[in-house]
Amino acid sequence: AQSVTQLGSHVSVSEGALVLLRCNYSSSVPPYLFWYVQYPNQGLQLLLKYTSAATLVKGINGFEAEFKKSETSFHLTKPSAHMSDAAEYFCAVSATGTASKLTFGTGTRLQVTL
Amino acid sequence: NAGVMQNPRHLVRRRGQEARLRCSPMKGHSHVYWYRQLPEEGLKFMVYLQKENIIDESGMPKERFSAEFPKEGPSILRIQQVVRGDSAAYFCASSPGTAFNQPQHFGDGTRLSIL
Repeated sequence: AQSVTQLGSHVSVSEGALVLLRCNYSSSVPPYLFWYVQYPNQGLQLLLKYTSAATLVKGINGFEAEFKKSETSFHLTKPSAHMSDAAEYFCAVSATGTASKLTFGTGTRLQVTL
Repeated sequence: NAGVMQNPRHLVRRRGQEARLRCSPMKGHSHVYWYRQLPEEGLKFMVYLQKENIIDESGMPKERFSAEFPKEGPSILRIQQVVRGDSAAYFCASSPGTAFNQPQHFGDGTRLSIL
């Protein structure tokens, strides 16, 4: 079974500051990990994915995430926040060897202030 | 290049009525997934379908909920005799296959409100 824990349901940063959104996972098999972003009244858009290749994954809009097996973490970062980054961010995990249903965390709402 | 299309975007039903939610996957995608998002929560997996087959329905409530993905036409999520607790956003996602480097693409969801 898989699960995801996102620490911090709300994160607020100043424009230009570092963005760090935390995600820890639990999986009995090597996981595939994803970050999705959701803007109000819209669906989820894939930011990046980890599929057992490079541990540092670069995504769209300047985001990246590092897979750390020893820490069971997959934190999302961006060096400099922009106002347009304000949204809800979801970390998700899927198991290898099974149907690829996604198990989501509860989400982190990112607020970007001037 | 159309993405995953869901309709309606908003649906209002009274308790006891039926709700039908439709999802057309992206072109070339033959795998469909339904998720439910309750207020202030993440998405919860409901069901995974391929054309004419239900592959995994482990997240579906045992009663009142059903899903299909016919050979022709969109996938349908059907909720019979709706109750207030069914109020949620329902998202459909599609993928071309189950290879794990093929991510799911999501629609904009159907917001279901039960009066």
